[in-house]
Amino acid sequence: DTAVSQTPKYLVTQMGNDKSIKCEQNLGHDTMYWYKQDSKKFLKIMFSYNNKELIINETVPNRFSPKSPDKAHLNLHINSLELGDSAVYFCASSPRGGVSTDTQYFGPGTRLTVL
Amino acid sequence: DAKTTQPPSMDCAEGRAANLPCNHSTISGNEYVYWYRQIHSQGPQYIIHGLKNNETNEMASLIITEDRKSSTLILPHATLRDTAVYYCIVREGGGADGLTFGKGTHLIIQP
Repeated sequence: DTAVSQTPKYLVTQMGNDKSIKCEQNLGHDTMYWYKQDSKKFLKIMFSYNNKELIINETVPNRFSPKSPDKAHLNLHINSLELGDSAVYFCASSPRGGVSTDTQYFGPGTRLTVL
Repeated sequence: DAKTTQPPSMDCAEGRAANLPCNHSTISGNEYVYWYRQIHSQGPQYIIHGLKNNETNEMASLIITEDRKSSTLILPHATLRDTAVYYCIVREGGGADGLTFGKGTHLIIQP
Protein backbone atom coordinates (compact mmCIF):
# COMPACT_ATOMS: atom_id res chain seq x y z
CA ASP A 1 0.00 0.00 0.00
CA THR A 2 2.88 2.32 -0.82
CA ALA A 3 1.65 5.91 -1.22
CA VAL A 4 4.11 7.06 -3.91
CA SER A 5 5.97 4.39 -5.83
CA GLN A 6 8.64 4.60 -8.51
CA THR A 7 10.05 2.07 -10.94
CA PRO A 8 12.73 1.10 -11.44
CA LYS A 9 14.69 1.65 -8.24
CA TYR A 10 17.99 1.45 -10.09
CA LEU A 11 18.65 2.22 -13.75
CA VAL A 12 22.02 1.80 -15.43
CA THR A 13 22.32 2.75 -19.08
CA GLN A 14 24.66 3.99 -21.76
CA MET A 15 25.09 7.55 -22.99
CA GLY A 16 22.77 8.43 -25.82
CA ASN A 17 20.01 6.03 -24.80
CA ASP A 18 16.41 7.00 -24.11
CA LYS A 19 14.88 5.86 -20.82
CA SER A 20 11.75 6.32 -18.73
CA ILE A 21 11.05 6.34 -15.02
CA LYS A 22 7.54 5.64 -13.82
CA CYS A 23 5.75 7.14 -10.86
CA GLU A 24 2.40 6.25 -9.36
CA GLN A 25 0.54 7.66 -6.37
CA ASN A 26 -2.49 6.10 -4.72
CA LEU A 27 -3.31 9.08 -2.51
CA GLY A 28 -5.79 10.72 -4.84
CA HIS A 29 -3.60 13.81 -5.08
CA ASP A 30 -4.01 16.43 -7.78
CA THR A 31 -0.41 17.49 -8.21
CA MET A 32 2.72 15.52 -8.93
CA TYR A 33 6.37 16.50 -9.11
CA TRP A 34 9.77 15.34 -10.25
CA TYR A 35 12.91 16.28 -8.34
CA LYS A 36 16.57 15.61 -9.10
CA GLN A 37 19.20 15.02 -6.41
CA ASP A 38 22.72 15.24 -7.76
CA SER A 39 25.95 13.78 -6.43
CA LYS A 40 26.37 16.73 -4.08
CA LYS A 41 22.98 15.89 -2.58
CA PHE A 42 21.24 19.06 -3.76
CA LEU A 43 17.53 18.46 -4.33
CA LYS A 44 16.00 20.53 -7.12
CA ILE A 45 12.51 20.69 -8.53
CA MET A 46 12.31 19.73 -12.20
CA PHE A 47 8.60 19.71 -12.98
CA SER A 48 5.24 20.01 -11.34
CA TYR A 49 2.05 18.84 -13.03
CA ASN A 50 -1.41 19.85 -11.85
CA ASN A 51 -4.63 19.16 -13.73
CA LYS A 52 -2.78 19.01 -17.02
CA GLU A 53 -0.87 22.20 -16.29
CA LEU A 54 2.84 21.67 -16.55
CA ILE A 55 5.25 23.96 -14.77
CA ILE A 56 8.82 23.50 -15.89
CA ASN A 57 11.97 24.54 -14.13
CA GLU A 58 13.70 26.59 -16.78
CA THR A 59 17.05 24.99 -16.06
CA VAL A 60 15.82 21.53 -17.11
CA PRO A 61 17.00 20.51 -20.61
CA ASN A 62 14.24 19.74 -23.11
CA ARG A 63 15.57 16.18 -23.31
CA PHE A 64 13.52 15.65 -20.17
CA SER A 65 9.78 15.38 -20.63
CA PRO A 66 7.11 14.43 -18.11
CA LYS A 67 4.09 12.52 -19.33
CA SER A 68 0.91 12.01 -17.34
CA PRO A 69 -1.48 9.36 -18.67
CA ASP A 70 -3.84 10.03 -15.76
CA LYS A 71 -3.95 11.86 -12.44
CA ALA A 72 -2.28 9.00 -10.57
CA HIS A 73 0.76 8.71 -12.82
CA LEU A 74 3.57 11.02 -13.86
CA ASN A 75 6.33 9.39 -15.86
CA LEU A 76 9.66 10.97 -16.72
CA HIS A 77 11.12 10.40 -20.17
CA ILE A 78 14.74 11.24 -20.84
CA ASN A 79 16.15 11.33 -24.36
CA SER A 80 19.80 11.17 -25.40
CA LEU A 81 21.09 10.52 -21.90
CA GLU A 82 24.28 12.28 -20.83
CA LEU A 83 26.79 11.55 -18.08
CA GLY A 84 25.53 14.59 -16.15
CA ASP A 85 22.06 13.07 -15.93
CA SER A 86 23.34 10.58 -13.39
CA ALA A 87 21.45 11.34 -10.19
CA VAL A 88 18.65 10.15 -7.95
CA TYR A 89 15.23 11.18 -9.24
CA PHE A 90 12.37 11.55 -6.80
CA CYS A 91 8.69 11.70 -7.61
CA ALA A 92 6.32 13.43 -5.19
CA SER A 93 2.65 14.32 -4.92
CA SER A 94 0.48 16.76 -2.99
CA PRO A 95 -3.26 17.22 -2.55
CA ARG A 96 -3.56 20.69 -4.09
CA GLY A 97 -0.73 22.37 -5.90
CA GLY A 98 0.02 25.94 -4.98
CA VAL A 99 -1.65 26.06 -1.59
CA SER A 100 0.90 26.90 1.04
CA THR A 101 -0.39 24.43 3.58
CA ASP A 102 -0.03 21.42 1.35
CA THR A 103 2.60 18.86 2.14
CA GLN A 104 4.39 16.74 -0.39
CA TYR A 105 4.80 12.99 -0.23
CA PHE A 106 7.91 11.58 -1.83
CA GLY A 107 8.65 8.28 -3.49
CA PRO A 108 11.72 6.17 -2.66
CA GLY A 109 13.75 7.49 -5.59
CA THR A 110 15.28 6.07 -8.75
CA ARG A 111 19.06 6.03 -8.97
CA LEU A 112 20.05 6.64 -12.59
CA THR A 113 23.61 5.90 -13.65
CA VAL A 114 24.72 6.87 -17.15
CA LEU A 115 27.90 5.17 -18.36
CA ASP B 1 17.71 29.84 -4.20
CA ALA B 2 16.70 28.69 -0.74
CA LYS B 3 15.44 31.48 1.52
CA THR B 4 16.68 29.79 4.68
CA THR B 5 19.97 29.37 6.52
CA GLN B 6 20.76 26.32 8.62
CA PRO B 7 23.91 25.00 10.31
CA PRO B 8 25.50 22.30 8.14
CA SER B 9 25.67 19.73 10.91
CA MET B 10 24.74 19.02 14.51
CA ASP B 11 25.20 16.22 17.01
CA CYS B 12 22.77 15.14 19.69
CA ALA B 13 22.86 12.37 22.26
CA GLU B 14 20.27 9.66 22.00
CA GLY B 15 17.30 10.31 24.29
CA ARG B 16 17.96 14.04 24.48
CA ALA B 17 16.01 16.78 22.74
CA ALA B 18 17.43 17.83 19.38
CA ASN B 19 16.95 21.52 18.62
CA LEU B 20 17.52 22.48 15.00
CA PRO B 21 17.62 26.20 14.19
CA CYS B 22 16.65 27.90 10.95
CA ASN B 23 16.96 31.50 9.89
CA HIS B 24 14.45 32.91 7.38
CA SER B 25 14.80 36.64 7.84
CA THR B 26 13.20 37.54 4.50
CA ILE B 27 10.03 35.50 4.97
CA SER B 28 6.88 37.22 3.76
CA GLY B 29 3.57 37.38 5.57
CA ASN B 30 1.80 34.61 3.67
CA GLU B 31 4.69 32.14 3.59
CA TYR B 32 4.74 29.07 5.79
CA VAL B 33 7.76 27.40 7.35
CA TYR B 34 8.05 23.71 6.48
CA TRP B 35 10.40 21.08 7.82
CA TYR B 36 11.30 17.93 5.93
CA ARG B 37 13.95 15.34 6.58
CA GLN B 38 15.79 12.86 4.41
CA ILE B 39 17.09 9.68 5.95
CA HIS B 40 19.98 8.15 4.03
CA SER B 41 18.91 6.59 0.70
CA GLN B 42 15.24 7.49 1.20
CA GLY B 43 12.94 10.15 -0.17
CA PRO B 44 12.31 13.32 1.85
CA GLN B 45 9.69 13.03 4.56
CA TYR B 46 7.38 15.78 5.78
CA ILE B 47 7.73 16.60 9.49
CA ILE B 48 5.76 19.71 10.38
CA HIS B 49 4.84 23.20 9.20
CA GLY B 50 3.60 26.47 10.67
CA LEU B 51 2.73 30.06 9.89
CA LYS B 52 2.88 32.10 13.10
CA ASN B 53 1.96 29.91 16.03
CA ASN B 54 3.99 27.14 17.55
CA GLU B 55 2.98 23.73 16.32
CA THR B 56 3.31 20.18 17.66
CA ASN B 57 2.58 16.79 16.18
CA GLU B 58 3.59 13.23 16.88
CA MET B 59 7.01 13.73 15.34
CA ALA B 60 8.19 17.13 16.50
CA SER B 61 7.48 20.66 17.71
CA LEU B 62 8.02 23.84 15.74
CA ILE B 63 8.78 27.08 17.51
CA ILE B 64 8.52 30.23 15.38
CA THR B 65 9.77 33.54 16.74
CA GLU B 66 7.30 36.39 17.04
CA ASP B 67 8.93 38.32 14.19
CA ARG B 68 8.91 35.08 12.14
CA LYS B 69 12.53 35.57 11.12
CA SER B 70 13.66 32.30 12.62
CA SER B 71 12.35 28.99 13.86
CA THR B 72 13.47 25.90 15.75
CA LEU B 73 12.51 22.32 15.11
CA ILE B 74 12.51 20.23 18.27
CA LEU B 75 12.71 16.45 18.32
CA PRO B 76 11.85 15.83 21.98
CA HIS B 77 13.53 12.44 22.50
CA ALA B 78 15.94 11.79 19.67
CA THR B 79 16.63 8.20 18.61
CA LEU B 80 19.26 6.77 16.29
CA ARG B 81 16.62 6.59 13.56
CA ASP B 82 16.35 10.37 13.63
CA THR B 83 19.80 10.66 12.07
CA ALA B 84 19.07 12.44 8.79
CA VAL B 85 19.41 15.68 6.86
CA TYR B 86 16.77 18.16 8.04
CA TYR B 87 15.53 20.82 5.65
CA CYS B 88 13.84 24.05 6.67
CA ILE B 89 11.83 25.41 3.74
CA VAL B 90 9.88 28.58 3.27
CA ARG B 91 7.10 27.79 0.94
CA GLU B 92 6.92 30.09 -2.07
CA GLY B 93 3.33 30.73 -2.90
CA GLY B 94 1.31 30.67 -6.09
CA GLY B 95 0.85 27.92 -8.65
CA ALA B 96 1.76 24.27 -8.46
CA ASP B 97 5.32 25.04 -7.50
CA GLY B 98 7.79 22.64 -5.99
CA LEU B 99 9.79 22.89 -2.81
CA THR B 100 13.08 24.76 -2.80
CA PHE B 101 15.54 22.75 -0.76
CA GLY B 102 18.67 24.28 0.72
CA LYS B 103 21.64 22.35 2.06
CA GLY B 104 19.90 21.40 5.29
CA THR B 105 21.37 20.30 8.61
CA HIS B 106 22.90 16.87 8.94
CA LEU B 107 21.75 15.74 12.38
CA ILE B 108 23.73 12.87 13.84
CA ILE B 109 22.29 11.15 16.88
CA GLN B 110 25.05 9.67 19.01
CA PRO B 111 24.41 6.49 21.05
